[in-house]
Amino acid sequence: QVQLQESGPGLVKPSETLSLTCTVSGGSVNSVSYYWSWIRQPPGKGLEWIGSISYSGSTDYNPSLKSRVTISVDTSKNRFSLRLSSVTAADTALYYCARFRRMGANGSFDYWGQGNLVTVSS
Amino acid sequence: DIQMTQSPSSLSASVGDRITISCRASQSISNFLNWYQQKPGKAPKLLIYVASYLQSGVPSTFSGNGSGTDFTLTVSSLQPEDFATYYCQQSFSSPTFGQGTKVEIK
Repeated sequence: QVQLQESGPGLVKPSETLSLTCTVSGGSVNSVSYYWSWIRQPPGKGLEWIGSISYSGSTDYNPSLKSRVTISVDTSKNRFSLRLSSVTAADTALYYCARFRRMGANGSFDYWGQGNLVTVSS
Repeated sequence: DIQMTQSPSSLSASVGDRITISCRASQSISNFLNWYQQKPGKAPKLLIYVASYLQSGVPSTFSGNGSGTDFTLTVSSLQPEDFATYYCQQSFSSPTFGQGTKVEIK
């Protein structure tokens, strides 16, 4: 059974960089069949895709966040990471990592972590 | 960006009821549409992929339909564990989600 686990600080100061890591167990990030993704959910609100990365390091980012986001993958440690720079209170959210299962040109988020709440506050 | 609009935003129903949630895309997305269920304090769970395919382990009371711009999620007989928030999501281009439909107990 694939499991994803987010880790990282729960509190980040405004203007600083948010950093989270997602460790994958029960499966390998080194697979052409999946993209490894970050999705966030502000308290009481809906879901927003942040970006995805393939095992080879190819990335795709949400255009609204692209200038501030970096996603990287470490196949040797079977994990991937998110960095979001210049954060503001609007970045306060529950951050999920998820596996995007590719099906030809289609795909879906079939496994999710339990989420890591990040609050931006001084 | 492709905008996804769900309706209604919320609904009240009873155990055993049949409910339908709609999702409309701002442009044609073929069948690149998925549905998720989210319960309070939990991560979303994939229910339906490619518009109408049931994810493994999901009860057959759930079904999905549609193509192009208009899609539906139907629960044929609501069970107590089905009261949750449901999201549609398109994967035709950079993924976007609908705003969610909260299903509450009447």
